[in-house]
Formats: sequence, C-alpha cells, structure tokens
Amino acid sequence: DAEITQSPRHKITETGRQVTLACHQTWNHNNMFWYRQDLGHGLRLIHYSYGVQDTNKGEVSDGYSVSRSNTEDLPLTLESAASSQTSVYFCASSAGSGANVLTFGAGSRLTVL
Amino acid sequence: DQQVKQNSPSLSVQEGRISILNCDYTNSMFDYFLWYKKYPAEGPTFLISISSIKDKNEDGRFTVFLNKSAKHLSLHIVPSQPGDSAVYFCAASEGRAAGNKLTFGGGTRVLVKP
Repeated sequence: DAEITQSPRHKITETGRQVTLACHQTWNHNNMFWYRQDLGHGLRLIHYSYGVQDTNKGEVSDGYSVSRSNTEDLPLTLESAASSQTSVYFCASSAGSGANVLTFGAGSRLTVL
Repeated sequence: DQQVKQNSPSLSVQEGRISILNCDYTNSMFDYFLWYKKYPAEGPTFLISISSIKDKNEDGRFTVFLNKSAKHLSLHIVPSQPGDSAVYFCAASEGRAAGNKLTFGGGTRVLVKP
C-alpha cells in the first residue's frame, strides 16, 4: 500500500544545531507540504513543493528550508534550531490533479532544548 | 491574523447525542472547505469537504453546513460515538485544485462520553 512516512518520530536536540526531518511518500504525488502543529495555532504551513526542483515558502518559513530532488522525498531542515521551533511537524502530499485533499504522515515531534 | 478560526477548543458530548463543531473564516476568497480528524500520535485524516456552490454535504453520520454570507461552517456528527473522540480541524482553500494550499483552524478537541 502507498504511504507517507516521517522520520524520526521523536527527536531532542540543542539550540543552534542543524536538524533534518525526513518525509518519504510512495503515492507518486507531485505536491508535498510541511506543516507544524502548535497549541492554539492549529496547523501552519512551513514550505511546499509542486514537483522536483520546485520549493515555495509558506506562512512560517523563517529558519526552515526544504529541497526536492525527487518525487518521493521532501526533507525539512532547521538550519540552527531554536526553542521556538519545538513543535510537532507533519508532512503531507496530494495528487497533481483532483481535489486538494492532503494525505498526512504520522508526524515528527521535535524538542529543542 | 488567523483566517480560519475554531473558537471552541474543546467539546464534551454524551454518546448518541449530536456533536456540533463550528468554524469561521475571514478570507472571502476561500471557496473550498474541509474537515480533518486527528487521533493522538497520528496524522490528520480527511473527513468531509464542501464546495462553496453547496450549503450542505452529508456522508454517513457526518454533515457539513456552509453559510457563505456569515463566513461560517459547521460539522455535525450524529449520533456521536466514543470512537469520534479526537481533535477536529477545519481547513479552507482558494479553489479545490490539488496544489492549492490549505489554511487550518486551531482545532476542537471532542470527547464523547459512553
């Protein structure tokens, strides 16, 4: 069965370190998204991609970057982790046509100490 | 400024009764709306959607109502079951094309008591 997997599921890091969260989907979806979930804010869009070599900034992109070298993967990098980036991160994907129903991964909980 | 708001952070309801979740939006360009359900330690899963050309969409126990003039939508769950206990997110987008970005509300935690 097709799926979307995130790793690691849990990570603790220190302020200033670089962190990369992986997202891999086997749906062959063109569109991939990264959201963060925080209490009271719901899900906020960090970055998104419509295909290989395409990346775009979302509403809370500062301090984050993504790259899309193939269809399956959209890794999210925190260049220099900050305590404000402690959150649960969700990767999602959607097909290139049809309604914009997102399929989400199970999430990565990141704690920055 | 949040463009999609869910003003009730939590809701408690007895099994068998109706659960009503509310969502308000401010962006008049939004014309496609979705509800997602999220269990702990899992990603959100799509529940039901509605286009702005409709004012109601029904799928089994779940019905979404849209009031465009009030920029308000609601999700009704009838009858509520203990397995419905989860966090529900309202989401909106400008158009229903696959690449259109979704803007989410803050979520409502529903607890269905047996």
